[in-house]
Amino acid sequence: QVQLQESGPRLVKPSQTLSLTCTVSGGSISSGDYYWSWIRQPPGKGLEWIGYIYYRGSTYYNPSLRSRLTISADTSNNQFSLHLSSVTAADTAVYYCARISIVGVVKNFDHWGQGTLVTVSS
Amino acid sequence: DIQMTQSPSSLSASVGDRVTITCRASQSISIYLNWYQQKPGKAPKLLIYAASTLQSGVPSRFSGGGSGTDFTLTISSLLPEDFATYFCQQSYSTFSFGPGTKVDI
Repeated sequence: QVQLQESGPRLVKPSQTLSLTCTVSGGSISSGDYYWSWIRQPPGKGLEWIGYIYYRGSTYYNPSLRSRLTISADTSNNQFSLHLSSVTAADTAVYYCARISIVGVVKNFDHWGQGTLVTVSS
Repeated sequence: DIQMTQSPSSLSASVGDRVTITCRASQSISIYLNWYQQKPGKAPKLLIYAASTLQSGVPSRFSGGGSGTDFTLTISSLLPEDFATYFCQQSYSTFSFGPGTKVDI
């Protein structure tokens, strides 16, 4: 059973870069069967897709975040990472990593990490 | 961008009730629609994908329907563990989520 676990600083100062890592166990991110994604949820609000990476390194980002966002993968450690620059209080959220499964042509988020709350504050 | 809406935003129900939640897309998305359940402090859990296919391990009291722009999630007989927030999500054009429907007692 695949498991995902987020890690990284819980508090980030405004204007700095938010960096999180997702460690995957029970499956390889190098498998071409899946995409690997980040999603966030501000406290008490809905879900926002951030972006994803495919094992060959190709990425696709939410256009609203693209100018500040980098997602990368470390296949040797079976991890992928999120870097969001120039953060503000609006970036305060629970950040989830998730696996994207493709059934036919329909993509879904079939496995999620437990989530980590990142607060942007001085 | 494809916008997703859900109705109602919240509902009160009792154990044993039949509950239906509606999700609408701002343009046709065929069956590129998934449903998730989220409990407080937990990650969302995939319930249904491709509009009507039950994810492995999900009880059969959950069902989904619809295509194009209008979709439904139905819980045939509510159990105590079903009180949660439910989100729809489209994958026709990148990804976007509905605002959620909170089901409480």
